[in-house]
Amino acid sequence: DIQMTQSPSSLSASVGDRVIITCRASQGISNYLAWFQQKPGKAPKSLIYATSSLQSGVPSKFSGSGSGTDFTLTISSLQPEDFATYYCQQYKSYPLTFGGGTKVEIK
Amino acid sequence: EVQLVESGGGLVQPGGSLRLSCAASGFTFSDHYMDWVRQAPGKGLEWVGRTRNKANSYTTEYAASVKGRFTISRDDSKNLLFLQMNSLKTEDTAVYYCVKLLYDQGWCFELWGRGTLVTVSS
Repeated sequence: DIQMTQSPSSLSASVGDRVIITCRASQGISNYLAWFQQKPGKAPKSLIYATSSLQSGVPSKFSGSGSGTDFTLTISSLQPEDFATYYCQQYKSYPLTFGGGTKVEIK
Repeated sequence: EVQLVESGGGLVQPGGSLRLSCAASGFTFSDHYMDWVRQAPGKGLEWVGRTRNKANSYTTEYAASVKGRFTISRDDSKNLLFLQMNSLKTEDTAVYYCVKLLYDQGWCFELWGRGTLVTVSS
């Protein structure tokens, strides 16, 4: 199975900050990498697929980059509604696997 | 409006069975691959399995943790996705989400349902 490792596991940031979350795959996954946002008590929401393509309706403050084994999610200017847990996922091969999550909290 | 609504969750004893449903609307259900994902209380996301579309013979894939116990099926005539869960264990306790997939450079997750809670306990 492909292991997905996110860092950091949590971070504290202020409104307006630029936030970068990293995801590393245990083997190459080309660009088959997605990002999700989950708020407490809610279902996850799809943000990005194919490493850098935004899902419909997702604001452009979210961006993704990387290839192979190393990927990043960047939030350009953190807003109150962005405080949540973020997960990466590889869909290169079965079983699909997720990172452990990064909780973004208010500083 | 594109929507997924899960149902069928509840409390079940270890060794028991449960069947979850996911009602889809607002899109051509028969064209899409569909997945199930679960999340144990306070934990991360775990992929459960997939059903492909009719064009790909409705074939399925499963996580090792559920293979042989869970079965994914679909009824395209009613826009319904199912997850039959047998021989349930306490570690199957989780919120179960159905997910609509999008084809763009591969089949990727697009829309999640709200989830249904399954509790396995005596």
